[in-house]
This record gives sequence, C-alpha cells and structure tokens, in this order.
Amino acid sequence: EVQLVQSGAEVKKPGESLRISCKGSGYSFTSYWITWVRQMPGKGLEWMGRIDPSDSYTSYSPSFQGHVTISADESISTAYLQWSSLKASDTAMYYCARRSSGIYYDYWGQGTLVTVSS
Amino acid sequence: DIQMTQSPSSLSASVGDRVTISCRASQSITNYLNWYQQKPGKAPKLLIYAASSLQSGVPSRFSGSGSGTDFTLTISSLQPEDFATYYCQQSYSTPWTFGLGTKVEIK
Repeated sequence: EVQLVQSGAEVKKPGESLRISCKGSGYSFTSYWITWVRQMPGKGLEWMGRIDPSDSYTSYSPSFQGHVTISADESISTAYLQWSSLKASDTAMYYCARRSSGIYYDYWGQGTLVTVSS
Repeated sequence: DIQMTQSPSSLSASVGDRVTISCRASQSITNYLNWYQQKPGKAPKLLIYAASSLQSGVPSRFSGSGSGTDFTLTISSLQPEDFATYYCQQSYSTPWTFGLGTKVEIK
C-alpha cells in the first residue's frame, strides 16, 4: 500500500529553524517526484515546490524561492521541507504529495501543522 | 504563473441536485487539469485527472469536461458525503497552480 507519512505538528518561535518530513512507503521512492503544498488557515492550496528524489533536482514557486528548502534522502525514502528562519506568516498546514506517472497527485500525506508564534 | 479562477466560491445545494463548478485558466492548458476534493481536516483527494478521467475508486456521479481554458466539474446527484471544498489545478507548467476552491454546502 502506498503511503506518505508526515512528521508531527510543530510549535516554533519566529526566527527559529525547522525541518519537517514526509516518508514514502509501498513504492519505489526514487521513481516519483514529491511536491510540498501549503494551506494557510481557512485558505486554499498553494504549490511550493517539488523534488525528484532520484537526483534531488528541485523546482520552487517564485513565491517560496529563497525562503524554504526542499531536500530528500533516498536511503530512507524521506523528503524534507525546511526553514532557516520562521515567520509568523509561515503558520499553516503543509502537505506532501506524490506526482503520479501521469500529471497529477495521486497520494498525499496527512499534513503537518506548523504554528509560529512568539 | 498560470492563474486558475474558480466559480462560484461557494454554493448550497440539496441532496440529489446536479452541481456544476467552473474553472478557467489564464492561458490554454490543453487538458492538463485536475480536480481534488478536500474535507475539513483532511488531505485533498484526487477526483478527476486530465480534465475528464475519473480516478479509480471515485463514484461515477463525478465527471469533468473541458479543454483549453474552460473546465467544469459536475456532480450529477449530490450526496451528503459530498460536502467539501473542491479545487481545480493545472499541471501544464510549473508552478502547478490551484484555484481558490469552491465550498459545497448541503442545504
């Protein structure tokens, strides 16, 4: 069974760093791109960026370029989303999603809630 | 970036009603259009891909149509479990942008 399991909720202060994870199982992790999607409270879905785990090539939305870093460790079938300096406006639910062999997302993680507050 | 505009932003309908949600792209995306359903507190779920292909396991009351810039998601007979927010998404070019969503409420 294909699964994407994300790390648990986080509460951080502005300026702190954070890395959240998304572990894939039930499929060949390096064969499918992973995308990160942000959902701010009560708002819609925003495409942040994606990684090809086979070569770690990344692509970012201009809205998120330079503020987050996406990485992957194929040895443990895990993708990451990290911030070096969080802002209150980073408070949101973050989802990882697997790009299928077609051009859509067929599996999603359960989401990681990140709360940034002083 | 390609902008995706959904309408309406919300609607209220009765069980058994036919519901139609529209999505317009700011440029042609041929048929690179997907629809997702999101229920409160849950991750999005794929319903339709490539504008009109039904994802495995999705009830046949859901259907999609359109090409180019104009697309439609139709629920032929609304069921209580269809209370959710629906998003269109283009996968024609990076970033794969989403519409702002259509919230469907049951009367």
